[in-house]
Amino acid sequence: SAVISQKPSRDICQRGTSLTIQCQVDSQVTMMFWYRQQPGQSLTLIATANQGSEATYESGFVIDKFPISRPNLTFSTLTVSNMSPEDSSIYLCSVDDGEVAGELFFGEGSRLTVL
Amino acid sequence: AQSVTQLDSQVPVFEEAPVELRCNYSSSVSVYLFWYVQYPNQGLQLLLKYLSGSTLVKGINGFEAEFNKSQTSFHLRKPSVHISDTAEYFCAVSLRFSGGYNKLIFGAGTRLAVHP
Repeated sequence: SAVISQKPSRDICQRGTSLTIQCQVDSQVTMMFWYRQQPGQSLTLIATANQGSEATYESGFVIDKFPISRPNLTFSTLTVSNMSPEDSSIYLCSVDDGEVAGELFFGEGSRLTVL
Repeated sequence: AQSVTQLDSQVPVFEEAPVELRCNYSSSVSVYLFWYVQYPNQGLQLLLKYLSGSTLVKGINGFEAEFNKSQTSFHLRKPSVHISDTAEYFCAVSLRFSGGYNKLIFGAGTRLAVHP
């Protein structure tokens, strides 16, 4: 299994600013995923990040708003740009370590509040 | 298109009572099915999964789920719940892509509240 660390665990941000969330994995993984969980809602996939290539975004999410970096096999960042109160959510990093089909491992999430 | 429906947004239950959390999915292809649990202020933890084989799968913390292909369901059950089972439970469908990776589609979640 993979152990995932996310930073920050929570933050309060001002409208119009940007925040970068870091995701560190304790082993090398090919695929990393970023999810958003809005208050009281389920998880929605933002994008899939494969090392060495551009992230693949889901419908409704764009690179200008959520730029993602994946510099190596153990690390990724998600930036939430030009934030508004509607961006207040928990952002979760997850990985597929390729050992068990279909099982993803999740970080504890980064809880952002935008004022 | 694949989707996951969790029929109950909230399920209140008394301690030591049995519970069933319902999940239905729609998919035109074979899928893998999962239940995840999210305790307050924590990330998601895998409870159990169905990949193939026996339709009754057992997971952690005494939970089990039964895959029913004809009804496209994957309901989660526990014969006797504990206060510590209070959490949000998510049913998920995994889609396998040609690149060899999996994408999870989540249901809306069911909040299980166990009362003394």
